[in-house]
Amino acid sequence: DAKTTQPNSMESNEEEPVHLPCNHSTISGTDYIHWYRQLPSQGPEYVIHGLTSNVNNRMASLAIAEDRKSSTLILHRATLRDAAVYYCIRRDSNYQLIWGAGTKLIIKP
Amino acid sequence: NAGVTQTPKFQVLKTGQSMTLQCAQDMNHEYMSWYRQDPGMGLRLIHYSVGAGITDQGEVPNGYNVSRSTTEDFPLRLLSAAPSQTSVYFCASSTRTVNTEAFFGQGTRLTVV
Repeated sequence: DAKTTQPNSMESNEEEPVHLPCNHSTISGTDYIHWYRQLPSQGPEYVIHGLTSNVNNRMASLAIAEDRKSSTLILHRATLRDAAVYYCIRRDSNYQLIWGAGTKLIIKP
Repeated sequence: NAGVTQTPKFQVLKTGQSMTLQCAQDMNHEYMSWYRQDPGMGLRLIHYSVGAGITDQGEVPNGYNVSRSTTEDFPLRLLSAAPSQTSVYFCASSTRTVNTEAFFGQGTRLTVV
């Protein structure tokens, strides 16, 4: 099972939008794209998921490329509390979450 | 609403000892899973279950056993602890659909000396 690939780390300024990219070039047609984040010393927390269409919720937006080989998580206005490791994950037809190494997001005040 | 509860939060074992990590959920979720997370890495699947009485192996099952006698509980057993099993362990649960979120416990930090 091919894992997703993400930048190791990204920096952003507080109160600015953040775009976190993810490549999943070998994703199958039935795999969902999920994003979770993990704050220090805590369990992962769900952020958003999607299949083909762009998705919005109270935490973030998810933009999925038309060919589904990549996606972007958008935090519209980052705060210091958004500093975490963000994971782009495939969820396959067996319900399994396939994790990559994630992107460490650093927010500068 | 407790969600997913893991016990203990911290544990130190000697090489060769056995122990059970407990995981319980109160959301009536069919799917439960155990992961380990090593420093600087993502989570790796150890074992999972799609319902009571059904378990299967994940990516890194060696040295671990699981059972699922009830919907609520999914314990993970370390048979003979080794230093390579030093890690943070997470339990997760979800419904048996791919387009819903999974809920995670707060983790068990295990050190094997």
